Amino acid sequence: DSGVTQTPKHLITATGQRVTLRCSPRSGDLSVYWYQQSLDQGLQFLIQYYNGEERAKGNILERFSAQQFPDLHSELNLSSLELGDSALYFCASSVGTGGSSPLHFGNGTRLTVT
Amino acid sequence: AQKVTQAQTEISVVEKEDVTLDCVYETRDTTYYLFWYKQPPSGELVFLIRRNSFDEQNEISGRYSWNFQKSTSSFNFTITASQVVDSAVYFCALSEWGGGADGLTFGKGTHLIIQP
Repeated sequence: DSGVTQTPKHLITATGQRVTLRCSPRSGDLSVYWYQQSLDQGLQFLIQYYNGEERAKGNILERFSAQQFPDLHSELNLSSLELGDSALYFCASSVGTGGSSPLHFGNGTRLTVT
Repeated sequence: AQKVTQAQTEISVVEKEDVTLDCVYETRDTTYYLFWYKQPPSGELVFLIRRNSFDEQNEISGRYSWNFQKSTSSFNFTITASQVVDSAVYFCALSEWGGGADGLTFGKGTHLIIQP
């Protein structure tokens, strides 16, 4: 058990809809990362937050947004969903903000857009 | 931009065989970190090892060993006496010292199948 909690485990929704994925980091970790895993793109870095502030941005679409709250949990909001957004979304956390800290991943949220 | 290449998309071996998973990376930074993660059929990503760019010592942990060679930009992973429970997708990953916009960059993964 990595200590990172993601909810829900599965999500099925229709095109055009909006969903929110939630993540609670490991106790003591200040950084939260979001990744998308799909068969064609592999594991893609979306965005990182550190102690409530956006720290780095990767291949995140404009239809997607995220935030980290004062209690350090994070939410990833996906809107105007398309079929191609179907993927496994991972949250990860680490102690620090630099590249040296291993990321500890949650079990993921599997999103299916129909 | 940083890049990780895992040329082996799938490897299938019989239990007890040794197997090596290849990883080649590209980065312009002199300080960087390399990682291996395991994704079993259940889907979670499990951290296995981290190596920094200044430490080229090979590492052994039980049946697992890692060979880091800066001269060839490779960070290979060997499983000795493989077991069925080793069946998983294995990812090699790279991050630069400051983290940065690329985050942790993953290779496409190698699907390892251990047959009984």
